[in-house]
Amino acid sequence: LAKTTQPISMDSYEGQEVNITCSHNNIATNDYITWYQQFPSQGPRFIIQGYKTKVTNEVASLFIPADRKSSTLSLPRVSLSDTAVYYCLVPPPYNFNKFYFGSGTKLNVKP
Amino acid sequence: DADVTQTPRNRITKTGKRIMLECSQTKGHDRMYWYRQDPGLGLRLIYYSFDVKDINKGEISDGYSVSRQAQAKFSLSLESAIPNQTALYFCATSVAGGEGTDPADTQYFGPGTRLTVL
Repeated sequence: LAKTTQPISMDSYEGQEVNITCSHNNIATNDYITWYQQFPSQGPRFIIQGYKTKVTNEVASLFIPADRKSSTLSLPRVSLSDTAVYYCLVPPPYNFNKFYFGSGTKLNVKP
Repeated sequence: DADVTQTPRNRITKTGKRIMLECSQTKGHDRMYWYRQDPGLGLRLIYYSFDVKDINKGEISDGYSVSRQAQAKFSLSLESAIPNQTALYFCATSVAGGEGTDPADTQYFGPGTRLTVL
């Protein structure tokens, strides 16, 4: 079971870069690493996905070391609107009974 | 995401009542899912469906049933609601990994249904 481990919560200030690390020691060879963002009372929203090395889009960057046992979501220059819960997923593509969101990381951005 | 809609958005019911939550999508996705979320916790998968003729149990299917009426519609039923089924329920859709331009198995979520069982 490719479960993930993330910090329960993090605090930051506006304008800072925030890095959230996720551990996934049992990740399978073909698994992607996907991050979602969830605001209160809304459904999660896809942020970024990667397989190895580094992926960057207009919202975030995802850093994945060679052993792929962890990954780091990087949010550049956060604002108050980035306050949300961030989930790291490693979904086994052919075993959705193990599609596990976990509790995520609650990011609190302060002014 | 406006492409995935859920009805009702809020529902208060009593123990023992039968409740149906409905989900519709206009994204043309084959895969649909139902999740529940309890306060301060992550999402847990209840049921999922890869196409109209496919239904699978998720992590917490006991006390729930589903119906995939069409590619675009996936309903969740609570046959006899109980208070510990009070939660926020989300429907989601996705395409299979590698299809189209979506990253593998990206899920698109509806706005949620807040269900309270008294």
